[in-house]
Parts: sequence; structure tokens; C-alpha cells
Amino acid sequence: SQQGEEDPQALSIQEGENATMNCSYKTSINNLQWYRQNSGRGLVHLILIRSNEREKHSGRLRVTLDTSKKSSSLLITASRAADTASYFCATAPPVNYGGSQGNLIFGKGTKLSVKP
Amino acid sequence: NAGVTQTPKFQVLKTGQSMTLQCAQDMNHNSMYWYRQDPGMGLRLIYYSASEGTTDKGEVPNGYNVSRLNKREFSLRLESAAPSQTSVYFCASRRGPLTDTQYFGPGTRLTVL
Repeated sequence: SQQGEEDPQALSIQEGENATMNCSYKTSINNLQWYRQNSGRGLVHLILIRSNEREKHSGRLRVTLDTSKKSSSLLITASRAADTASYFCATAPPVNYGGSQGNLIFGKGTKLSVKP
Repeated sequence: NAGVTQTPKFQVLKTGQSMTLQCAQDMNHNSMYWYRQDPGMGLRLIYYSASEGTTDKGEVPNGYNVSRLNKREFSLRLESAAPSQTSVYFCASRRGPLTDTQYFGPGTRLTVL
């Protein structure tokens, strides 16, 4: 069953603007990860935030995590046309949660379009 | 260092035909995974292999079988393909079941007529 739910489903912005995507999940987690998928390609890992962290940065990416609200956000600053892709959050449940062995659970994704 | 490779890239089958999707990784990872991706559905786990010699069902295993041939290779077999199995299939690997980053292959686009 899907755990992460991204919001919005689709986002269209102009180059140079910031893009914010949100992810909500249902159960406790060890960590939450964000992945990017270019059209017709596999997913690529972007950033991971652990359950005891509140904010993490990597280049133009900023991720926040609020475990009390079971939500995360991904901010891409100064977006570029090359950022056009789908973005997925994936949650890692605690070991032995539901027998999952820590398997990642992916959301349905946010499709970001950055217009030049 | 090719990462995760998948063959074939594209495949068209008729209902009832069988085929095997191949996946290999050269990162010495212990854990390997098969997902399917359908429009608006995200990625759903079909089967996984936490370590060489073990395989387990994921969220949507019906109609599929897997083989962990060795540490590098993890294949997915459709014994009797159905139109509902039309999808994009992704293989992924990571160092171990408790480690973090997953590395994905480029995908196999399968159409069942």
C-alpha cells in the first residue's frame, strides 16, 4: 500500500522561481528520501533526512521533516529547465515493521515542469 | 562501473506468452528489488531479495516469479503474461536491507496485447 502522498500532483513554474513539493505519510519512519525521475528513465536518489532531523540542505535542495505532522517538503530554489522531472518521496519504515525489512515505500510523485 | 542494468529495454508480448526480465548490478550490493510503475500509481514493489539466496513477496507479487541467480543478478519472470501486466518495470539495488540509498536501473517498458 502507498504510504507517501505527494502534493501537488503537478506543478508548473518559470525558470528562476522556487518549487515546493510536499509529502505526507501515515506511519513511523526511520528516514524519508526524495528521488527524481526524468521522463523515461529510472529514479535517482536526491537526498535523505532521518527521523531525528528537521532540515537538510544539498545544493539547491532543502528538505524539511515534521514527524509530528508526518510530513516532509522538498524545496528547489532558483529552478532551471533541467529540473523538469517527477519527484517522489519514499519512506523507510522501522525494521520489522509489518515484516517489511525496511523496504522503501514510494508515493505517486509530483510532476514538475520548469518553463524557460 | 555500469550500476544497475536491465534487459530488454522494450518488449511486446501477446497474452499468455512468457518472458524473463534480466537485472544485474556491479556495485556488490546485497539487496535487490523489482518494481512496477503504472501511470498515477507510483512504484509498487513486486518482489525483493534482501540477500543472496533469499527472495520475498512485495506488494503486488501475483503473476510473477523471481530468481536471485547470484549476488549480481536478479531476474523477474512472467509465466503467462496478461494485459494487466503492461507497465514499466524497474530493478533496484542497495548495499543491504537496512542501508539507505537505492540505485535504479533504466527500466523495461512491457506491453502485453
